Amino acid sequence: KAGVTQTPRYLIKTRGQQVTLSCSPISGHRSVSWYQQTPGQGLQFLFEYFSETQRNKGNFPGRFSGRQFSNSRSEMNVSTLELGDSALYLCASSLEAGGPNEQFFGPGTRLTVL
Amino acid sequence: QKEVEQDPGPLSVPEGAIVSLNCTYSNSAFQYFMWYRQYSRKGPELLMYTYSSGNKEDGRFTAQVDKSSKYISLFIRDSQPSDSATYLCAPRAAGNKLTFGGGTRVLVKP
Repeated sequence: KAGVTQTPRYLIKTRGQQVTLSCSPISGHRSVSWYQQTPGQGLQFLFEYFSETQRNKGNFPGRFSGRQFSNSRSEMNVSTLELGDSALYLCASSLEAGGPNEQFFGPGTRLTVL
Repeated sequence: QKEVEQDPGPLSVPEGAIVSLNCTYSNSAFQYFMWYRQYSRKGPELLMYTYSSGNKEDGRFTAQVDKSSKYISLFIRDSQPSDSATYLCAPRAAGNKLTFGGGTRVLVKP
């Protein structure tokens, strides 16, 4: 069974631009969560989508948004990029929206903002 | 104070030793407890998943959860150089939001 895939793997952008990252969950998984990982703050929850609905949102500004499609694939968008948005963006997929289910991470997208 | 606290290390051990890792947490709503391993510049890999208090063993790995003291442990027996990585504890409540500790870097020396 294929794992979680994320594209692109690396991105370089400049301040003020916007970026869209993509995540394809494990086949059959309906929940996708996004996390930001930085050396200073560690892994922080961005948001979770299940059945095309945002179920939970972390403490990030409105520049960070996401969506989920009917095939469970998800995208996240960051507008008006800032230097501090440089990070590894990870998505995790799971079967259901909560309860006793495991979450599996993709390899991440490394975003560098210049 | 962070919801999940984890000693950043590095924790250096000789090959074959037992690695002992732990986390403390403050949120009583946490019900599910994950341990992830992360190699440099890779995504986290799920190692262990436990529900509520107790022990769970999987090969060389043993996870322990003590909800009364809000203490989570992971033990790695017969450690190998390939176990050198950062280990992250990540408890969660009923939903899917994981709250990560800062991670402990482990170095297993041949």
